[in-house]
Amino acid sequence: DGGITQSPKYLFRKEGQNVTLSCEQNLNHDAMYWYRQDPGQGLRLIYYSQIVNDFQKGDIAEGYSVSREKKESFPLTVTSAQKNPTAFYLCASSQDREGQPQHFGDGTRLSIL
Amino acid sequence: AQKITQTQPGMFVQEKEAVTLDCTYDTSDQSYGLFWYKQPSSGEMIFLIYQGSYDEQNATEGRYSLNFQKARKSANLVISASQLGDSAMYFCAMRDFYGGATNKLIFGTGTLLAVQP
Repeated sequence: DGGITQSPKYLFRKEGQNVTLSCEQNLNHDAMYWYRQDPGQGLRLIYYSQIVNDFQKGDIAEGYSVSREKKESFPLTVTSAQKNPTAFYLCASSQDREGQPQHFGDGTRLSIL
Repeated sequence: AQKITQTQPGMFVQEKEAVTLDCTYDTSDQSYGLFWYKQPSSGEMIFLIYQGSYDEQNATEGRYSLNFQKARKSANLVISASQLGDSAMYFCAMRDFYGGATNKLIFGTGTLLAVQP
């Protein structure tokens, strides 16, 4: 089955610690995205990538980093510089063509210990 | 700046009735696209329907239809014959063409729909 896999489903971070959220897709999509969702709010774009080895900052990139070494993978690192990391994180991918919907993973819920 | 507004934080509908979820948008771009997603309590985002700004007919997908009024800049989602499984958060989103990525999306704040038996 084609789809997007995010892991882990739940993640806990200690103060001062970096954590990495995994996102893998087997849909052969060129573009991948990371969103943050806070309770009762919409999605805000953190980073996106249209092609391997290239990525762009979204609206709330501070305190986050990404890499895109393979087409299938787009991991997100939440660094210690992100002071309020508790949120629901969603990864998505799409064909890089007008009108194509983004397909989402099941999300990772990150909490601070 | 482009913006999506969903003014209904929450709505109730009786099972088997139709319901309309409102979405208005703001853009100066002539070419844009509008998407609706469903987010159940489990968290995943499910794509429902898409409307391009140049599409002459309103989009339909099964029980979902999009009431697209370009002059009013509105793209309301209509769900016919509501089912209990339709209870979820619904998000309207617009493709941000100026963002540099063809399919970069801007999301509204969502509407929580509760279907009552």
